[in-house]
Amino acid sequence: ETGVTQTPRHLVMGMTNKKSLKCEQHLGHNAMYWYKQSAKKPLELMFVYNFKEQTENNSVPSRFSPECPNSSHLFLHLHTLQPEDSALYLCASSSQGQSSYNEQFFGPGTRLTVL
Amino acid sequence: GQNIDQPTEMTATEGAIVQINCTYQTSGFNGLFWYQQHAGEAPTFLSYNVLDGLEEKGRFSSFLSRSKGYSYLLLKELQMKDSASYLCAVSDSNYQLIWGAGTKLIIKP
Repeated sequence: ETGVTQTPRHLVMGMTNKKSLKCEQHLGHNAMYWYKQSAKKPLELMFVYNFKEQTENNSVPSRFSPECPNSSHLFLHLHTLQPEDSALYLCASSSQGQSSYNEQFFGPGTRLTVL
Repeated sequence: GQNIDQPTEMTATEGAIVQINCTYQTSGFNGLFWYQQHAGEAPTFLSYNVLDGLEEKGRFSSFLSRSKGYSYLLLKELQMKDSASYLCAVSDSNYQLIWGAGTKLIIKP
């Protein structure tokens, strides 16, 4: 595997379900990100981890819970979601979270539908 | 507040040239990125500008004017495969990327 991978690619869940999204990067990066992408809206940064430490939480509802066990893996735990949470969830990684050149490499995303 | 503006959609003809504009107002500036995103796929990096001027990379060029808070992405010799969304993003004072909503580019034969 190379680059940034995400599983599952598609997920349909009910509002009472609990599920987790997984992201893995094989690039040796130290920073990892979760984004939400809704149609015709800018990418919304949800969480940032730098060297496994959470450095950003952009007022994300507590029904989204991130976990970063090491620099290569990132999870997003989901519970009691709402239909408006349906979106594409993108994971990204970069080297040096605090750098003027902060090219981010993205995974293919998980298309989430909440019924 | 922080804001990135780019057109929602543009249409161009195969073989032609198209310019996608991006204006920004951010707290601090540490560079501007352009990404390409095909439908259903991950965004992929196209270019990075931190100094004023034009950066050329094959058929794609990106221009930056920091004093005007303005950038554009120029695509030459358009091909059908260039049909995609083009995302403008600015690295702010905290080195976080602030994203525009993207410009959907439609290429017609």
